[in-house]
Parts: sequence; structure tokens; C-alpha cells
Amino acid sequence: ETGVTQTPRHLVMGMTNKKSLKCEQHLGHNAMYWYKQSAKKPLELMFVYNFKEQTENNSVPSRFSPECPNSSHLFLHLHTLQPEDSALYLCASSRDIQGPNEAFFGQGTRLTVV
Amino acid sequence: AQKVTQAQTEISVVEKEDVTLDCVYETRDTTYYLFWYKQPPSGELVFLIRRNSFDEQNEISGRYSWNFQKSTSSFNFTITASQVVDSAVYFCALRGDFNKFYFGSGTKLNVKP
Repeated sequence: ETGVTQTPRHLVMGMTNKKSLKCEQHLGHNAMYWYKQSAKKPLELMFVYNFKEQTENNSVPSRFSPECPNSSHLFLHLHTLQPEDSALYLCASSRDIQGPNEAFFGQGTRLTVV
Repeated sequence: AQKVTQAQTEISVVEKEDVTLDCVYETRDTTYYLFWYKQPPSGELVFLIRRNSFDEQNEISGRYSWNFQKSTSSFNFTITASQVVDSAVYFCALRGDFNKFYFGSGTKLNVKP
């Protein structure tokens, strides 16, 4: 299995739907991240978790709700999204949130809000 | 403030040409880490290299080489004898001693046969 796995790979949802993105890492890392990548925009950090505790919420709207039940799993719950939320959502993990620890990324979930 | 600038939005080369991707960073941290990632069309960011601020040695890995110069706050990436499979978006990133990764806006490399 790859190090960081995201499901689903593609998701189309209406603005009134509720859906969840899932991320699982098999690297034994302690930190996990959600990033948003929109067309022609830099990667935007959304949330950071360290040992299951949220350490950063980068002013993300409440229609995005993260959940980290353990160090290996990270979810992003979505509800009442807007069309501008359509983007590639990338999950990443690193050994720790400090120091010389590179992040490893999943393949992303391509989200389209209609 | 932490910032990463990749001034080249898109570069096109013909196969077998050498190409250099530029990365300039800003940080006030005395200890920091620099990274390069490759994002092919499949979407996943693939880690290529990490360089610590206290290690200015350049590195070569096959056709890839990296030139780190603290004096100019640059961490440039050169691909020698480029191949079509090198076509991707390349991101430079900076991380201080605390949790945030700061990514540049990426450089799209097109390698034509």
C-alpha cells in the first residue's frame, strides 16, 4: 500500500449534501494535514493535527469539519459547500510537526460542488 | 515572515535539454528546512529532497541536482537531460522550526518530445 491513501479520488456533490473525505497513513507518523489546492492558487493549509489534537485551523469556514480519531486516520466532513469549494483536497502526514520532517502526500480527492 | 517565491510559472523545454527551476525564500528562523516536491497529473505531491539550513552542500541524484545558497536565499533545482516523464508541477517549500510548511506557487514544466 502507498504511504498516504485518500478516498474517494473523485467526488461530485450538491450544495445541500453532506459527505466525508478520508485519509489514512501507514507511515507511523504523528502529524496529519489537510490542504486545499485550487486552480491557479498556491497550496492552502487548512488544518494540522498532532497526536490526534488539532494544532492549527487556518481560518477555515465551519462548513469544513475535520476529525482525527487516531494518528493514522483523518477525515474532512463537508456540508453545505459552495461551488468555490471545488478543488483538489490533499492529505499529508509527517513524523512530527517540528524539525526536519518532510510531509508525505496522498493522491488527493478531486471535489466538484454543483 | 516566511515566504517562498517561484517566479517561473511555466517552462517549456525540448527533451534532453537541461532546465533549472528557481526558488527564493524568506525566513527569520535561524534553523529551517527546504524541500522540493513534484506533482504529476495524477495529483499526488511526491517528495524529492529536503535540505537543512545548516547544510549548504549541493546534492546530486541521478539527473536531478540542487543548489542551495544561503547568501542569496535560493534553493534551485536543475534537471539534466530532461525527459517527457519530468513533465509536472514542481513545488519548493520552506519549513521553520514550527509546524507550518510554506509552499511556493509552483512551476509547471512541460517537456516536449
